[in-house]
Formats: sequence, structure tokens, C-alpha cells
Amino acid sequence: GQQLNQSPQSMFIQEGEDVSMNCTSSSIFNTWLWYKQDPGEGPVLLIALYKAGELTSNGRLTAQFGITRKDSFLNISASIPSDVGIYFCAGRSGTYNQGGKLIFGQGTELSVKP
Amino acid sequence: DTGVSQDPRHKITKRGQNVTFRCDPISEHNRLYWYRQTLGQGPEFLTYFQNEAQLEKSRLLSDRFSAERPKGSFSTLEIQRTEQGDSAMYLCASSTSGGSTDTQYFGPGTRLTVL
Repeated sequence: GQQLNQSPQSMFIQEGEDVSMNCTSSSIFNTWLWYKQDPGEGPVLLIALYKAGELTSNGRLTAQFGITRKDSFLNISASIPSDVGIYFCAGRSGTYNQGGKLIFGQGTELSVKP
Repeated sequence: DTGVSQDPRHKITKRGQNVTFRCDPISEHNRLYWYRQTLGQGPEFLTYFQNEAQLEKSRLLSDRFSAERPKGSFSTLEIQRTEQGDSAMYLCASSTSGGSTDTQYFGPGTRLTVL
């Protein structure tokens, strides 16, 4: 079945540093999403990508939908302590307005040292 | 817009008991999803409703699991004869087919512990 490989699994960085994480798939996806999850809570949507090559920003976060449709990356600039958490990528076969299950990566755990 | 709500937030039960969880989607969202998340892993899809119709079920959803959405609004997920391996966070998400894009928003989850 479809699988997502997310890397790195964990990151320990200094406040103010930039962060980059990525996701690759063995299959093509038509939608890529990035979520952040705090302990004991549900995932919170950060960025949604619906077109191959699309580059989207949300404040200090920037994400791109890979041209091959098999990968995506998320960058966080100038990290702050509240960026701590687990970041998940998720892909969906359906296009922008189609429903359907999300396939999630294993997550990247981010720790920020003040 | 009150967001997706789930009840209860935590449930501790003994092996063999039945449990039922409820999910209230964002109002007017006609699509509703259930996922399961174990420690250190990403959420895994269980099942998906559009209005009252259950459109897809994962092979993870064994015969002991049943989900309903009788009026196309809230949904329930029941687990019969719980096993220790059912211990996980159960997440609900909703989305709408009426917007320009379909984006899933998650609730806070129900943490199940089976003793």
C-alpha cells in the first residue's frame, strides 16, 4: 500500500535557527498537507497544497508540493520555543475538492532550545 | 465555528468491554473521517462518511469496530470486546465538499486505554 517516508524523525535546534523537513512517497499524491500536533491533542492544519510545484507560505512556514507529486517539504524560519511539537505530512490521492483518506508520515519531532 | 469536538477525551476500560465514542463535526461539514493513532506513529485511516453514507473502510476496521452517522451530522465509533491492542488515540476529522478545496480539520481525539 501507499507509504510516506518523513525525515528527519527528530530535530534538536537552537532558537532562531531555520528548520527543514520533507516527505517522500512511493505513489503519486494530488494533495499534500502539513499538520502540527501537540501532546494529547489532535493535529492542527498548517499548510495545504493542491497543485504540483505549488509553493505556499503561512507566516514563518513555507511548504512546497514537489513537481513529481511524490514529495513535499516544510521549512520553518527563525524557530521559536512554541514551534516545539510533532510535525506530520499527509498525502491524498484525491484532487483539491475530492474527499478521501489521508496517508500520514511518521512525524518529525521538533525540539527548540531557547 | 466551534471546531470538531469529540467525547469523551479519555476512556479507560477493561478488556472485553464495549466502548463508544462520539464525534461532532464542524457544522455544515458533510464529510467525516475516523483515524487511529498509536504512540510514535502518524494517524491511520479507519473509515469515511459523506453525509450518512459510509464510503470507505480500512482493513484496520475489524468486525469488532462499527461506525455510524445516522443523520449525517454527528458520528459514533463503537468497539466491541475491546483488546489491549485497541489502546490508542481515536481521532475524528471533518471537511466539506461545498468549498473550493477539501481540507480535513481534526478534533482533539479520544484517548482509549484498555487494561
